[in-house]
Amino acid sequence: RKEVEQDPGPFNVPEGATVAFNCTYSNSASQSFFWYRQDCRKEPKLLMSVYSSGNEDGRFTAQLNRASQYISLLIRDSKLSDSATYLCVVSQYGNKLVFGAGTILRVKS
Amino acid sequence: DVKVTQSSRYLVKRTGEKVFLECVQDMDHENMFWYRQDPGLGLRLIYFSYDVKMKEKGDIPEGYSVSREKKERFSLILESASTNQTSMYLCASSLPQGIAKNIQYFGAGTRLSVL
Repeated sequence: RKEVEQDPGPFNVPEGATVAFNCTYSNSASQSFFWYRQDCRKEPKLLMSVYSSGNEDGRFTAQLNRASQYISLLIRDSKLSDSATYLCVVSQYGNKLVFGAGTILRVKS
Repeated sequence: DVKVTQSSRYLVKRTGEKVFLECVQDMDHENMFWYRQDPGLGLRLIYFSYDVKMKEKGDIPEGYSVSREKKERFSLILESASTNQTSMYLCASSLPQGIAKNIQYFGAGTRLSVL
């Protein structure tokens, strides 16, 4: 079983739609949680951190459910520029990050 | 702005060759990492380093070695390249402590093909 599991998609949505991705992790000792974004043929970049209380950054909302060991990302009012692969990332001991395989989002006009 | 530079974007090598992938970062980061990224598998950690001359095995170190002689440079070595090492290789760096240790800055990647 993978340590971090994501639906690979692709999620094909029209501009302006709301879309949500989920991710589950297997290690209950995981400490910190993040979403990274990877554009086609580019490197991953940090999108946002995920907290138990939930956090919002503009059109993006991230939530963490420790009891169920899942993380979510909600994107409202999708833009064409949101098209990318979204990587769910979990940190465990030390400085290591464990990356999910990613969920592909395609926003179409 | 943090810059992580990988020496090559594309490389084609033959089976059995020794391959060097170079990575340089300009932000004085202590931590450096090498990953490979394959479709459906995501990023998998090969090796990482917390300091000069220090290295730790990641999840898939077999067939690889690393060198960190200077703080800004972290090299990945394929001692004898094999076809199953065909992949995208990504280097990353981060600060050592606090929230910042979880923000990894990546290079643009090296797509290696082993024939």
